[in-house]
Amino acid sequence: SQQGEEDPQALSIQEGENATMNCSYKTSINNLQWYRQNSGRGLVHLILIRSNEREKHSGRLRVTLDTSKKSSSLLITASRAADTASYFCATGPVGTDKLIFGTGTRLQVFP
Amino acid sequence: DAGVTQSPTHLIKTRGQQVTLRCSPKSGHDTVSWYQQALGQGPQFIFQYYEEEERQRGNFPDRFSGHQFPNYSSELNVNALLLGDSALYLCASSLGSGRRTYEQYFGPGTRLTVT
Repeated sequence: SQQGEEDPQALSIQEGENATMNCSYKTSINNLQWYRQNSGRGLVHLILIRSNEREKHSGRLRVTLDTSKKSSSLLITASRAADTASYFCATGPVGTDKLIFGTGTRLQVFP
Repeated sequence: DAGVTQSPTHLIKTRGQQVTLRCSPKSGHDTVSWYQQALGQGPQFIFQYYEEEERQRGNFPDRFSGHQFPNYSSELNVNALLLGDSALYLCASSLGSGRRTYEQYFGPGTRLTVT
């Protein structure tokens, strides 16, 4: 079963705007990761945030983690058409190094 | 630096048949995980191999089995195929043995269609 759920399921924005996606999960985790997937192909790792971290940045990406609420958010600033993809959060449950994926957010960025 | 490779890219099989999918991990990685992704869903963990043994398993029936070779490459076998096995099968590699960066590197996937 899926561990997490992303919200919204789909998001459409114009180039230059910011995109925010949220993820909720159910169990205690070692870390939370965000992945991007283009056109139903392989996933690309974007960023990992550990359970003892609250915020992390990588380029135009900003991730927050609130373990008390079991939630995370991914912010993509100054979006580009090339950011059009599906975005998944994945959690690494305590005691395991497998990943449990959420349902994904489909982001479309219009030029 | 070679990334994760998978073969074949696409595959069409008939119900009841058996299929074998192959994966070569990223250079330097020793752990391989397999995921099934149905259309419109997130990937679901099937199992993970480390040191040629199945280390963890998800909620998949015994029809799904695997193998890891001494060079760390891996195979996923599915017997008695069902229509519901149609999906994108993803292989991911990582470093095991306590050196847990937790980041997994995914291959492009194999699209399996069962008719």
